[in-house]
Amino acid sequence: NAGVTQTPKFQVLKTGQSMTLQCAQDMNHNSMYWYRQDPGMGLRLIYYSASEGTTDKGEVPNGYNVSRLNKREFSLRLESAAPSQTSVYFCASSASSGSLEQYFGPGTRLTVT
Amino acid sequence: QKEVEQDPGPLSVPEGAIVSLNCTYSNSAFQYFMWYRQYSRKGPELLMYTYSSGNKEDGRFTAQVDKSSKYISLFIRDSQPSDSATYLCAMYTGGYQKVTFGTGTKLQVIP
Repeated sequence: NAGVTQTPKFQVLKTGQSMTLQCAQDMNHNSMYWYRQDPGMGLRLIYYSASEGTTDKGEVPNGYNVSRLNKREFSLRLESAAPSQTSVYFCASSASSGSLEQYFGPGTRLTVT
Repeated sequence: QKEVEQDPGPLSVPEGAIVSLNCTYSNSAFQYFMWYRQYSRKGPELLMYTYSSGNKEDGRFTAQVDKSSKYISLFIRDSQPSDSATYLCAMYTGGYQKVTFGTGTKLQVIP
């Protein structure tokens, strides 16, 4: 039982490049989330998916797109990376969008130069 | 003003000390109050949660909520080096609403 897995663990991009961050959970959870964590800013919600087939914007969605590929997988895409997107990205899941407990993955450390 | 304010620390204490971690908030609609622990280079994990006001105890950890003051605390008794981590408070109104996280307080327990 791996919980929430994320790939890659580290990535360096040049400004303007694109990439997709992958996330998968094996807990049969309905809801999945993408956060970014920056010093002094805490965890900020980028996008979330309350259930398979639905996605909604969070607090800081600009510059990102998401795909809920199936119940297990939720990907985050940066179409044209900018230095302001340098951050640690966490994927999380919960049984439902009304659940208190979110289970987090290990994170992806992204640097955009 | 942020909805949730948390002192970033770092907070250094000797092993065995009682630790007090705190958050203040501005949204009176918050009903659920959570504490997450995040070890270095790991994702956060839920430590405990409290509904509305009052105290909740789990082993060496006690969560306290004072809704009248919009102030929550996490106390750690007999702190251990393994408690060294960043502690994030989180709050939630209930229903299908997003969770709001504090910025985290970094704690170091020195042997």
